[in-house]
Amino acid sequence: AQTVTQSQPEMSVQEAETVTLSCTYDTSESNYYLFWYKQPPSRQMILVIRQEAYKQQNATENRFSVNFQKAAKSFSLKISDSQLGDTAMYFCAFLDGNNRKLIWGLGTSLAVNP
Amino acid sequence: DVKVTQSSRYLVKRTGEKVFLECVQDMDHENMFWYRQDPGLGLRLIYFSYDVKMKEKGDIPEGYSVSREKKERFSLILESASTNQTSMYLCASSQRRQPQHFGDGTRLSIL
Repeated sequence: AQTVTQSQPEMSVQEAETVTLSCTYDTSESNYYLFWYKQPPSRQMILVIRQEAYKQQNATENRFSVNFQKAAKSFSLKISDSQLGDTAMYFCAFLDGNNRKLIWGLGTSLAVNP
Repeated sequence: DVKVTQSSRYLVKRTGEKVFLECVQDMDHENMFWYRQDPGLGLRLIYFSYDVKMKEKGDIPEGYSVSREKKERFSLILESASTNQTSMYLCASSQRRQPQHFGDGTRLSIL
């Protein structure tokens, strides 16, 4: 079965610092997609970044970047220059290219402290 | 931008009531999903639909049913609400191999 593991239930970081959230997954598929979602307190779940497994280059969106290690099945999210608005639950998710359902990690609660 | 609209942000119902949660998306997405979210348990898939009148069970379908009569609308039905169905319910939609887009969620309390 495909699984996604987020080993850090809670993390905190000081404003303006860099933090890395870890995610590992397990699959025997070669065609898949990986996502990081952000859910601020009492607000909507939004997509932060996506990575296609066939692309070797790590995805980047402004202050958010990933470290995609395909052989190790690792997909970590780095947030640079952390801001108070980055305080949220962060979920890692996996999509098999032949499927329609996302497989979700349990999430990491990130607190950015002033 | 994709918009996924859930009919209520907050809803309070009584045990035994039949409860309807509605979700509408405006991007002609083929896939629609209903999740429940509970602290420490992440997102758990209840049902999803990949076409009109088509549905598949997710991980926790017991006590729920769904309806998709039109492509843009996906309804979640609690046939006889129970207190253990008190939760946050999230609706999402997507195209194949694309990210899911979420509504604001419905916080449902069953008294």
